Amino acid sequence: RKEVEQDPGPFNVPEGATVAFNCTYSNSASQSFFWYRQDCRKEPKLLMSVYSSGNEDGRFTAQLNRASQYISLLIRDSKLSDSATYLCVVNMDSSNTGKLIFGQGTTLQVKP
Amino acid sequence: GAGVSQTPSNKVTEKGKYVELRCDPISGHTALYWYRQSLGQGPEFLIYFQGTGAADDSGLPNDRFFAVRPEGSVSTLKIQRTERGDSAVYLCASSLAGGFYEQYFGPGTRLTVT
Repeated sequence: RKEVEQDPGPFNVPEGATVAFNCTYSNSASQSFFWYRQDCRKEPKLLMSVYSSGNEDGRFTAQLNRASQYISLLIRDSKLSDSATYLCVVNMDSSNTGKLIFGQGTTLQVKP
Repeated sequence: GAGVSQTPSNKVTEKGKYVELRCDPISGHTALYWYRQSLGQGPEFLIYFQGTGAADDSGLPNDRFFAVRPEGSVSTLKIQRTERGDSAVYLCASSLAGGFYEQYFGPGTRLTVT
């Protein structure tokens, strides 16, 4: 079983739609959680951290459920520029090195 | 300011050859990471440096892979006797320190082994 699992998609949605991505992780000792965005043939960039209380950044909302070991990302009012791969990322390293474990990524394509 | 830079951007080599991939982290960042990303997959951790020392090399797939960071800044990932399965994008990231500081990624080196 992969340490971080995501549905690879692709998710094809019209502009203005709301879309949700989910992710599960296997190690209950995981310390911190993130969503990264990766454009085609580019490097990953941090989109947002994910906190147990849930957090929002503009049109983006991230949620963490530690009991279910489940992370989600909600994008409201999708824009063409949101088209990218979204990577669910977990830092499960108790020795505090910062080693990140990435999911496979979920591809989003927003259509006009 | 300048971000993480990696050279070369693309490298094509023949099976069995030796390659070196270079990473220049953001100035002042003490932590440096190497990841490898195969097509259709997320990045996979290889090695972490804190300063000059490799604090965690648990992701290196075998002893053909080696990395150094002799002065605590630039790092070189070295691959001996390359195999076709080594073809991937090699990403470098740096952060202010280890732990939970944000990691900034370079553009990667696309390695193709023919």
